[in-house]
Amino acid sequence: DIQLTQSPSFLSASVGDRVTITCRASQGISSYLAWYQQKPGKAPKLLIYAASTLQSGVPSRFSGSGSGTEFTLTISSLQPEDFATYYCQQVNSYPPLFTFGPGTKVDIK
Amino acid sequence: EVQLVESGGGLVQPGGSLRLSCAASGFTFSTYAMHWVRQAPGKGLEWVSYISSSSGSIFYADSVKGRFTMSRDNAKNSLYLQMTSLRAEDTAMYHCARGLRPVDYWGQGTLVTVSS
Repeated sequence: DIQLTQSPSFLSASVGDRVTITCRASQGISSYLAWYQQKPGKAPKLLIYAASTLQSGVPSRFSGSGSGTEFTLTISSLQPEDFATYYCQQVNSYPPLFTFGPGTKVDIK
Repeated sequence: EVQLVESGGGLVQPGGSLRLSCAASGFTFSTYAMHWVRQAPGKGLEWVSYISSSSGSIFYADSVKGRFTMSRDNAKNSLYLQMTSLRAEDTAMYHCARGLRPVDYWGQGTLVTVSS
C-alpha cells in the first residue's frame, strides 16, 4: 500500500507569509495527488487536484507542484481564512482506493 | 448547487449496527462514483469505501471489510453505509464524498459513537 507523509505536521505563520507544505509518497504515484483544506467542524474542501490544477473557485494564492513521490502545496501570501489543516490525498489506479496524508495544521503565529 | 447531506449517525453499543444515508442533490447522482470517508475525533481522514456509479464495483478499507456494506439507489439519489459489528474504533464523523479524480464535494458528516 502507498503511504503518504507530510511535513511539517504543524506550522506557525503570520498573515502575508509564504507557506509550503510537502507531501511524500512511499512509491511513485505519477501526478495524481490532491490537496484539501479542512477547518474545525467542517468538511474538507478540495483545493488542488492532479498535483497542480486549481479547483474552480479556489484563490490563486494556492498552487501545487510535483510528480512521482514528492509534491508541494504553496500558499503565496497567507490570509486569515487560510488557517486550517491541510491534507494530501492519492488515488490508486485500480482498485480506486485512496490514502490521505496525516495532515499539516497551519496556525497563527 | 451540489449538496450531500448525511444522516443516521448516533450512539450505538459495541457489536451493534447502524445504517448511514447520504442524500445527494444538485448534480446527476447516477453518473458519479461515491465514497465514505471517516474522521475519528481529533484525528486525520480515513477512506472507508468506494462505489462506482452503477454499483458494479465496490471496495472497502481493510479496517471495515466484512463488517460494512456500501450501496446506492440512483433512483432516490441516495448512498448508504450499513455498519455491523461496530467497535469503539469506528467512532468517527462519517462523510460521503463525490467523484474519483478528483473527489470534489463532501458532506458535513454524521457522527457515529460506539460506546457502552
